[in-house]
Amino acid sequence: AQKVTQAQTEISVVEKEDVTLDCVYETRDTTYYLFWYKQPPSGELVFLIRRNSFDEQNEISGRYSWNFQKSTSSFNFTITASQVVDSAVYFCALSDYSSASKIIFGSGTRLSIRP
Amino acid sequence: GAVVSQHPSWVICKSGTSVKIECRSLDFQATTMFWYRQFPKQSLMLMATSKEGSKATYEQGVEKDKFLINHASLTLSTLTVTSAHPEDSSFYICSARPRQGPTEAFFGQGTRLTVV
Repeated sequence: AQKVTQAQTEISVVEKEDVTLDCVYETRDTTYYLFWYKQPPSGELVFLIRRNSFDEQNEISGRYSWNFQKSTSSFNFTITASQVVDSAVYFCALSDYSSASKIIFGSGTRLSIRP
Repeated sequence: GAVVSQHPSWVICKSGTSVKIECRSLDFQATTMFWYRQFPKQSLMLMATSKEGSKATYEQGVEKDKFLINHASLTLSTLTVTSAHPEDSSFYICSARPRQGPTEAFFGQGTRLTVV
């Protein structure tokens, strides 16, 4: 069975601090996709990244970076120099490789950035 | 990028009535669409998988007679909440994965249902 665990329910940091959101996953599949989504108060899901299980390279996009460690089944997300606009709920998610597969979401981490 | 349009964005209905939510893929064909439900401060829980031209597959614990799903074309899936009750009040989100091309799912903007 597939499972995504986001142990941090809520995180609050002061603006400009760096913050890391943890994600641990379980799957029996050898090929799979991992995702991160942002959900602002409006409710709409904003796609941040997709990583396939073959690619363990870390990725950086502006202030965002992701660390994929297959050995520990983790896919952590770091925001550098956080801003108030980063305040949202962040979901880590997992799906198998099939194009018709469903996405399994973690419980989410509510991130609050204080001015 | 690919766009999924969900309508309506919000709806308030009386207890006992039915509500239909539409999910359209605007610029790609999706043989499969997914319906999720999200209660306040909780995660997205998959309700059902909708396949064009066939019956939807429901997750355990989801009443298929209450949540009717119709996937009549490659670009449209509908979710009808029948005989709605206040406990059905929730945020409903659909997603669609293109039949070809990128493998990330594209999500609609969600529908906030309030049953009074």
